[in-house]
Amino acid sequence: AQTVTQSQPEMSVQEAETVTLSCTYDTSESDYYLFWYKQPPSRQMILVIRQEAYKQQNATENRFSVNFQKAAKSFSLKISDSQLGDAAMYFCAYINQAGTALIFGKGTTLSVSS
Amino acid sequence: GAGVSQSPSNKVTEKGKDVELRCDPISGHTALYWYRQSLGQGLEFLIYFQGNSAPDKSGLPSDRFSAERTGGSVSTLTIQRTQQEDSAVYLCASSLFRGSDTQYFGPGTRLTVL
Repeated sequence: AQTVTQSQPEMSVQEAETVTLSCTYDTSESDYYLFWYKQPPSRQMILVIRQEAYKQQNATENRFSVNFQKAAKSFSLKISDSQLGDAAMYFCAYINQAGTALIFGKGTTLSVSS
Repeated sequence: GAGVSQSPSNKVTEKGKDVELRCDPISGHTALYWYRQSLGQGLEFLIYFQGNSAPDKSGLPSDRFSAERTGGSVSTLTIQRTQQEDSAVYLCASSLFRGSDTQYFGPGTRLTVL
């Protein structure tokens, strides 16, 4: 069975600094998709970034980028120039090509201080 | 355009009562998902609808839980004879066609069973 592990329950960063959130996953599939979602206190899950496993290039979205290491089954999220609005819980999620449901990690709570 | 909407935002009920939670997906999205988010269990898949196909109910925790999707659009999740362990945030998501398409989430319904 596929699993997603986020080993950092909590992380903190200062405004304008860079922080990296870790995620590892376990799968025997070769074709799959990985996501980072952000959930602020409002509860709304917001897509941060999406990565297709067949793509070698790491996905980026403005200040957010990933380090996708397929062989190591690692998918970390880097947030550059952190802002107060980045404070939230971040979830790493996996789904395979034929899958119907996202498999989520337990989440990392990120706090940002000024 | 409009995102996924859910109602009610919060629901408090007494143990043993039935509740109905509603989800309006993004217009044109054929796939719809229900997830449950609780402190102890994290984010769990409940049920998946795709077009007119039979739903994937593999995540429903008991026969007290059921869901339907009318006209390929609005979905209702029903919990009968609620128990205290049903207390959680129920999240709905939709995607264009299938699970590996990006899933967009609604704001959730927080259910509290007294």
